[in-house]
Amino acid sequence: GAGVSQSPSNKVTEKGKDVELRCDPISGHTALYWYRQSLGQGLEFLIYFQGNSAPDKSGLPSDRFSAERTGGSVSTLTIQRTQQEDSAVYLCASSATGGSEAFFGQGTRLTVV
Amino acid sequence: QKEVEQNSGPLSVPEGAIASLNCTYSDRGSQSFFWYRQYSGKSPELIMFIYSNGDKEDGRFTAQLNKASQYVSLLIRDSQPSDSATYLCAVTGKLIFGQGTTLQVKP
Repeated sequence: GAGVSQSPSNKVTEKGKDVELRCDPISGHTALYWYRQSLGQGLEFLIYFQGNSAPDKSGLPSDRFSAERTGGSVSTLTIQRTQQEDSAVYLCASSATGGSEAFFGQGTRLTVV
Repeated sequence: QKEVEQNSGPLSVPEGAIASLNCTYSDRGSQSFFWYRQYSGKSPELIMFIYSNGDKEDGRFTAQLNKASQYVSLLIRDSQPSDSATYLCAVTGKLIFGQGTTLQVKP
């Protein structure tokens, strides 16, 4: 596709369930980022993938959060045993290299009830 | 100390005025910076990129970088109501964002 695609757009889940959020970056982009944005707040960095390097996981808030990027393309963010405080918009972005313009997907709005 | 800090605002300016948005960063080794704009309910979009000390102009927007003082600023001249949004400063690489400054331009 022409842009970064995230799915699903909206997800409602019950507390304690696991969820998977998907990000399809722009083709050829080597860098991929995940952020969490709670209502009225800024972008909280979660994880950064750059090429074949080990991902920078320093922003993951707990061990319930994990992410992988398969084949240097699609990425999945997994949240295990979801809590109400996980409710937020999760944004994915990709860029051609680590220092170039990042393009954002439309986000996944996660609601934990 | 956060890597990138911004005053969350809101910053309110009248239409036609100059809006000045500021950002400071903690890592003296940071080389380049982005300014993104985020409208309510939308995803961020890039408006400026700066890597050299001094000013960079693009239309009504001017980004300023002072590496010695570790701050980056964004000036918006002739502010319009359509400029009302949250402005996010970010350091390149790991792409860490500040918390953003909400700008309100009043007609």
